[in-house]
Amino acid sequence: TQLLEQSPQFLSIQEGENLTVYCNSSSVFSSLQWYRQEPGEGPVLLVTVVTGGEVKKLKRLTFQFGDARKDSSLHITAAQPGDTGLYLCAGHGSSNTGKLIFGQGTTLQVKP
Amino acid sequence: NAGVTQTPKFRVLKTGQSMTLLCAQDMNHEYMYWYRQDPGMGLRLIHYSVGEGTTAKGEVPDGYNVSRLKKQNFLLGLESAAPSQTSVYFCASSSQGLAGQFFGPGTRLTVL
Repeated sequence: TQLLEQSPQFLSIQEGENLTVYCNSSSVFSSLQWYRQEPGEGPVLLVTVVTGGEVKKLKRLTFQFGDARKDSSLHITAAQPGDTGLYLCAGHGSSNTGKLIFGQGTTLQVKP
Repeated sequence: NAGVTQTPKFRVLKTGQSMTLLCAQDMNHEYMYWYRQDPGMGLRLIHYSVGEGTTAKGEVPDGYNVSRLKKQNFLLGLESAAPSQTSVYFCASSSQGLAGQFFGPGTRLTVL
């Protein structure tokens, strides 16, 4: 069974600080996605990483896929209150069924 | 485009009652999914469909049934609701197996 472990589960920081969220597994994933979810809404896709070692940037957010495609990280630079939300990593296994394995999520609170 | 819509948004059931959750998407996506989200457990896949007329079991299928009679609709049924099915249910769709998924706003279900 493929599992994704996210850490930390909760993070409360001040505006302007940097942070990193980790997503780890003992299994290899064909691709990994990061979603952001706000209260009362569904998750929204932020990025998909496919190649081992791949780095993608989305404004102040930097996503990295591990060389072995077993882990990923999300780094936010100079966090803002608008970054507050639940961040979820999700991985695709080897089959093309669309089945995603989700991590437990990281709740981020950025205080002004 | 409305994207992915879900009906109803809220529902309270008594143990043993049945109900159907409706998901509709207007993006002509082949793949559709039903997830449940519980505190601290991320999203877990209940059932999914890779095309009209097809369905398959996900990670937690027991107590649920699904149907995909039309490409744009994916129905989730609970034949005899149990308190353990109290959760927030999300529907999602994607154009292909490894593409990002688009989520609906969710249905909050309480079973008393």
